[in-house]
Amino acid sequence: GAVVSQHPSRVICKSGTSVKIECRSLDFQATTMFWYRQFPKQSLMLMATSNEGSKATYEQGVEKDKFLINHASLTLSTLTVTSAHPEDSSFYICSASSLAQTQETQYFGPGTRLLVL
Amino acid sequence: DQQVKQNSPSLSVQEGRISILNCDYTNSMFDYFLWYKKYPAEGPTFLISISSIKDKNEDGRFTVFLNKSAKHLSLHIVPSQPGDSAVYFCAASARSGGGADGLTFGKGTHLIIQP
Repeated sequence: GAVVSQHPSRVICKSGTSVKIECRSLDFQATTMFWYRQFPKQSLMLMATSNEGSKATYEQGVEKDKFLINHASLTLSTLTVTSAHPEDSSFYICSASSLAQTQETQYFGPGTRLLVL
Repeated sequence: DQQVKQNSPSLSVQEGRISILNCDYTNSMFDYFLWYKKYPAEGPTFLISISSIKDKNEDGRFTVFLNKSAKHLSLHIVPSQPGDSAVYFCAASARSGGGADGLTFGKGTHLIIQP
């Protein structure tokens, strides 16, 4: 299957700082990338959808000014958690999809564990 | 409100037997369903998918069955192997006719294969 990487794998930051998470599709061009968040013992919740070169579409309840998404190229999307607070601590996972992939399957990155102190 | 439900948080199956993981959904707009396998602190790994125009899809040891009238799907793993022990997520999407859509996930079922 296709490979998607995320960096960093885990990050600890102080409350009020901003954190950037990168998501890369390594062996295919991702026309669409998705960002999910998973709290302990919960399902993955879709935060936003980003298409290369256009603004991200955010799910209801997700603050677009707090979670900045940039999808500048067909292989890279970034999520910036601005002014992070302890309640933003979570497991953030990206996925990438391309119409060239069979059945529009999404391939997930390994996730980033964010801990805000 | 959970649109995709996996009512069994965990399931224990003996090695070599069949594992059956169940998933129910409420949104009639969903037309594409996927199963993912996930280990702790890792991203989900795609296993198998099914479109709403089919009622069965098979790939090796994995078979997914879809019952649209009951809004129910299941994943069958046979024979079950120790490496199958993981959390399995059911996911669904309502494709808008072009491009991929975000997925709605269930809470997952922790499958434990006992030797």
